[in-house]
This record gives sequence, structure tokens and C-alpha cells, in this order.
Amino acid sequence: QVQLVQSGGGVVQPGRSLRLSCAASGFIFGNHAMHWVRQAPGKGLEWVAVVSYDGLNQDYADSVKGRFTVSRDNSKNTLYVQMNRLKTEDTAVYFCARDACTFGCAKEGFDHWGQGTLVTVSS
Amino acid sequence: DIVMTQSPDSLSVSLGERATINCKSSENILYSSNNKNYLAWYQQKPGQPPKLLFYWASTRESGVPDRFSVSGSGTDFTLTISSLQAEDVAVYYCQQYFRPPRTFGQGTKVEIK
Repeated sequence: QVQLVQSGGGVVQPGRSLRLSCAASGFIFGNHAMHWVRQAPGKGLEWVAVVSYDGLNQDYADSVKGRFTVSRDNSKNTLYVQMNRLKTEDTAVYFCARDACTFGCAKEGFDHWGQGTLVTVSS
Repeated sequence: DIVMTQSPDSLSVSLGERATINCKSSENILYSSNNKNYLAWYQQKPGQPPKLLFYWASTRESGVPDRFSVSGSGTDFTLTISSLQAEDVAVYYCQQYFRPPRTFGQGTKVEIK
């Protein structure tokens, strides 16, 4: 079965860095774009970043552009996000999510999600 | 960015009664060349990640009970739970994927009255 298992997260001071990981199993990782979505405490969902199936293309929300870098290692079936110059407003649960679209996009949306990992940015 | 606005923000419904959630996009998200609405619906229960319910506005994800239904096209969409069950207590989100960034509605919290 499809699994996305996240690691990383924790408490970090403003201005510091953190890297989150998302280990995938149960599907052909290299066939799917992958996303990061975050949820501030008690708030709604905010899309953060996407990396294409081959890792060659990325896109970011304006709120994190220039500070976050999304990447993937298809040989390790793992997705990453490197978060630099963290701000207090980056405090959130971060989810990785699989893009359902493959080869023609008969299906769309985010069809599998990681369990989420809390990032707290605080001095 | 395309803004997705849901209404109401929350609703309380008795068990077995109907719950209706609206989602309005700031732009038309129906792509004329394929006649598809670029909209997904998600359910998020407390302490869990979201779960995909529908994509292409009306295609039901595998395993989603048929008491969940959707309607709408263009800019206005509706998710209906025909007979609310206790396990349906959750926050529901719509999301457009017509144009990046993939924006979500603010969420609608469904509770038992």
C-alpha cells in the first residue's frame, strides 16, 4: 500500500534552518510530482511547494519563495524540503502529498498524504 | 492567485440530516477544451491528514461513501452529505488546480447538532 512517512521537524529559532523528509513506498515514486502543504495551528491548508516527477522543476508559494527548496531523490524514494531563514509565521504542521496525476492525468488532486510533522519557529 | 471561498465556515447538523457546503472560485475553473472543472474536495478529521474525496469536481475517489455528492461547474460548487453520520465530523476543503498555486478554500467545519 502507498505510504508516505515523514521525519524531521521540531523547534527552531527564527532565522535558522530545518530539513524535512518524506519517505515513499508502495508505488513508483518517480512517476508522481510531489507537494508540500502546511497547516498553521488551528488554521486551514496552505500549499507550499511542488517538485516535478523527475526533480527538474519546482514551484513555490510566494510566502516561502527564496527561502525553501524542495527536492527529491528518486533512487531513495524520498522527498525533501530545506527550509532556511525560518520565520515565526512558518510555524505549522507540514504534510507531504502525492500528486495523483500521471501520464495524462486521468486522476488529479493529492491522493496520498504523509502523517504530518510539526515545525515550531520560536525564540 | 485564484481565491477559493467556502461557505459557511461551520455548520451543525443532526445525525441523519443533510449537510451542504459551498465553494466559490474567483475565476472560472472549467477548462473548455476538455470540459473539466479543475476542482478537488478533501475531508480532514481531527489529528489526521486530509483525505481526497472528489477530483475533476465530480469524480468520486475510491471508497468514498455515496452519501457524499457534489455538483456545480465554472465558479460555484457544492458538496452535500445526504445523511450525516458521526464519522463525517471533519473539516472539508475545496481546492482548485486550474492554475498554480493550487489554492484551498478556508475550510468548513461540520459538527453534530
